Amino acid sequence: EVQLVESGGGLQQPGRSLRLSCAASGFTFDEYAMHWVRQAPGKGLEWVSRISWNSGNIHYADSVKGRFTVSRDNAKKSLYLQMNSLRAEDTALYYCTKDLIRYSYGIFDSWGQGTLVTVAS
Amino acid sequence: VLTQSPATLSLSPGERATLSCRASQSVSNYLAWYQQKPGQAPRLLIYDTSNRAPGIPARFSGGGSGTDFTLTISSLQPEDFAVYYCQQRGNWPYTFGQGTKLDIK
Repeated sequence: EVQLVESGGGLQQPGRSLRLSCAASGFTFDEYAMHWVRQAPGKGLEWVSRISWNSGNIHYADSVKGRFTVSRDNAKKSLYLQMNSLRAEDTALYYCTKDLIRYSYGIFDSWGQGTLVTVAS
Repeated sequence: VLTQSPATLSLSPGERATLSCRASQSVSNYLAWYQQKPGQAPRLLIYDTSNRAPGIPARFSGGGSGTDFTLTISSLQPEDFAVYYCQQRGNWPYTFGQGTKLDIK
């Protein structure tokens, strides 16, 4: 069974940093692209970032480009999101998601339960 | 940009639901649908317009192409009342629609 468990969220001041982690199990981690998707309280879904299976292809939403960095450690079956220069509008539940198809992109078939990031002074 | 309609759909169990998603430019057939219940993560229902994800009941079906897509639930079950999002991977960046809330009439 696929499991994705996010951690690292919390309350942080504007301009500060947080690092999110996602521990994966139940599938061959290094064969799948991974994504971060966020959901502001009471709002819809926003794709944040994508990293390919071998970290060779990385993309970000314009709203986080230059501030967030996605990475992965295939040996540890873990995904990360380094969030710098946090803004109030980054407040959201951050989901780690897995692609449905090996070596493909953009179909989010498994989701963690999310980790809440709150940016406020 | 993906625009979903209606924003809210009120129906009774057993009825047929048709949800719409319109793209501002062609996304080919790269359109997916997700269901989200309160306090839960989204669940993939349909991908690439019409392919049901593993474990999804046959009452869920998807159709369309290019810019106009639909999600149909043939006979609503009590557990189907939720928020539904469409999502495209045909153009950069990936985007979601704003959601359609399906509630019990």
